[in-house]
Amino acid sequence: GAGVSQSPSNKVTEKGKDVELRCDPISGHTALYWYRQRLGQGLEFLIYFQGNSAPDKSGLPSDRFSAERTGESVSTLTIQRTQQEDSAVYLCASSSGYRQPQHFGDGTRLSIL
Amino acid sequence: QQQVKQSPQSLIVQKGGISIINCAYENTAFDYFPWYQQFPGKGPALLIAIRPDVSEKKEGRFTISFNKSAKQFSLHIMDSQPGDSATYFCAASGTPLVFGKGTRLSVIA
Repeated sequence: GAGVSQSPSNKVTEKGKDVELRCDPISGHTALYWYRQRLGQGLEFLIYFQGNSAPDKSGLPSDRFSAERTGESVSTLTIQRTQQEDSAVYLCASSSGYRQPQHFGDGTRLSIL
Repeated sequence: QQQVKQSPQSLIVQKGGISIINCAYENTAFDYFPWYQQFPGKGPALLIAIRPDVSEKKEGRFTISFNKSAKQFSLHIMDSQPGDSATYFCAASGTPLVFGKGTRLSVIA
């Protein structure tokens, strides 16, 4: 498709389980970003990939959070031992380069029971 | 210094009126200021953006005004329509983007 695709769109899991969220960026976009959006709140930066450079992980809230990206393609965000405070919408964005407009997917709504 | 402060939190405007949302930043290294529109259940969509070398940018009914000395920028929506009802986020960059907390706009007939 032409836009950023995220899957699943919704995920419900029990506290303590691991979850993996997927992002397919726009083809050719070298930069990929993950954000977290809590209910009624703004967007909180998590991690940023730019080409083959080392990712900027400065926004990851704890070592339970990690993300990978293979080349300039799919990225996965993994949350281990989920906690209730991890409940949020996780948004992925991609852009054609440094400081270029970011295009967002519709997010994964994660609910931790 | 990385914050972007956005106001108001919520806004109700009559159809045909002007909606105004304001943002302020502290980091003078920021050099790109986009506005995003978000409908419920959807990701934010880029609406309009400005760089600090201009003081105003207009696209259709949407205008960004930028005041570099005051470190403030604002979004004006002219002739507001019910279809404009959404949450609006300002942002500033650096990379990554730093977002304001959002303004929920309701345009009533």
